[in-house]
Amino acid sequence: KQEVTQIPAALSVPEGENLVLNCSFTDSAIYNLQWFRQDPGKGLTSLLLIQSSQREQTSGRLNASLDKSSGRSTLYIAASQPGDSATYLCAVIKPISNYQLIWGAGTKLIIKP
Amino acid sequence: DTGVSQDPRHKITKRGQNVTFRCDPISEHNRLYWYRQTLGQGPEFLTYFQNEAQLEKSRLLSDRFSAERPKGSFSTLEIQRTEQGDSAMYLCASSSGLDTQYFGPGTRLTVL
Repeated sequence: KQEVTQIPAALSVPEGENLVLNCSFTDSAIYNLQWFRQDPGKGLTSLLLIQSSQREQTSGRLNASLDKSSGRSTLYIAASQPGDSATYLCAVIKPISNYQLIWGAGTKLIIKP
Repeated sequence: DTGVSQDPRHKITKRGQNVTFRCDPISEHNRLYWYRQTLGQGPEFLTYFQNEAQLEKSRLLSDRFSAERPKGSFSTLEIQRTEQGDSAMYLCASSSGLDTQYFGPGTRLTVL
């Protein structure tokens, strides 16, 4: 059974710092991995999608990497800003399924001004 | 197209009542997903549709839950005889094939 874990559950850093969020999954047979952002009481916004054949994806100050063999992904945020404060969730899709997303519980990120 | 929309955004109901939620996906998307999220947890899959066909239901979806997508466009999720344990955020997402899933703002259900 695929399980997705995100550590730490919460992280607080000063504005301007670079930071890394971690995601691990137990079954390396994935179709793709996505990182999402969720603001309090709101829905989810897709940030980056990495196909299983890719190693990384970049969008602005965000860079996501994928290492299927070790079952890990990282989300790197450069030059953090208070507006980056949110919960960040990773999710994987298994290749033999209805392609539902299997989620981690998220990392709550607080950027202190 | 403004994205995925859900209605209502908030619903407060008494235990034992029935509730119905609506999701309008992005118009050209053929896949529609329902998820449930409780505080501090990631979403959990409930069910999904490809066009009008409901192709899978999670074991989380008890007999009190039913979902429809009659014309392959909007979808409804009904919960009968609500229980306090049904209190959660109900999220709808749509996608075109296996591309990124786009989420609506969710419907927050509180069962008193």
